[in-house]
Amino acid sequence: GAVVSQHPSWVICKSGTSVKIECRSLDFQATTMFWYRQFPKQSLMLMATSNEGSKATYEQGVEKDKFLINHASLTLSTLTVTSAHPEDSSFYICSARAGAGTGELFFGEGSRLTVL
Amino acid sequence: GENVEQHPSTLSVQEGDSAVIKCTYSDSASNYFPWYKQELGKRPQLIIDIRSNVGEKKDQRIAVTLNKTAKHFSLHITETQPEDSAVYFCAASKGSASKIIFGSGTRLSIRP
Repeated sequence: GAVVSQHPSWVICKSGTSVKIECRSLDFQATTMFWYRQFPKQSLMLMATSNEGSKATYEQGVEKDKFLINHASLTLSTLTVTSAHPEDSSFYICSARAGAGTGELFFGEGSRLTVL
Repeated sequence: GENVEQHPSTLSVQEGDSAVIKCTYSDSASNYFPWYKQELGKRPQLIIDIRSNVGEKKDQRIAVTLNKTAKHFSLHITETQPEDSAVYFCAASKGSASKIIFGSGTRLSIRP
């Protein structure tokens, strides 16, 4: 199957700092990528849809100024958690579809963020 | 927007028995329903999916049924094995290019 790689896999930062997470499609081009947040033993909550060359579409309740998404190329989307606080600590996971008309989502490894 | 509800949240079955997980969706425009399996510490992976023009789909020990009228779909795992232990998520989408909304997940445990 298609490969989606996410980096870093884990990060610890101080409160007030910003953290950038990268999501790359390694063997296919992705015009659209999706960012999810997963709390322990809970579901995958869609945060936003990242669109190559245009603004991301955020889900209701997700602060776009807090979670900055950039999709500058067909293989890279980034999520920046700005001015991170302890409540932002979570598991962030990106995903992408491998081709037009293909339903399957391929997920990255996920990034565990801990804000001290 | 779309809302997907999933039951049960936990399920324990004897090895060799069958397991059934049920989901309902709210948006009648949804037409693509995948199921993902997430093992501990790993990324979710697609195990089976079904589109709205089909009522049932089977892949070896796994089957999914869809009732569009009632807006619910189910995952059936037969002859369960220890490696089936994981968290299973149902999901719904309005199309293969649209966002996917996930259910709350079912933690399946297989008793030896």
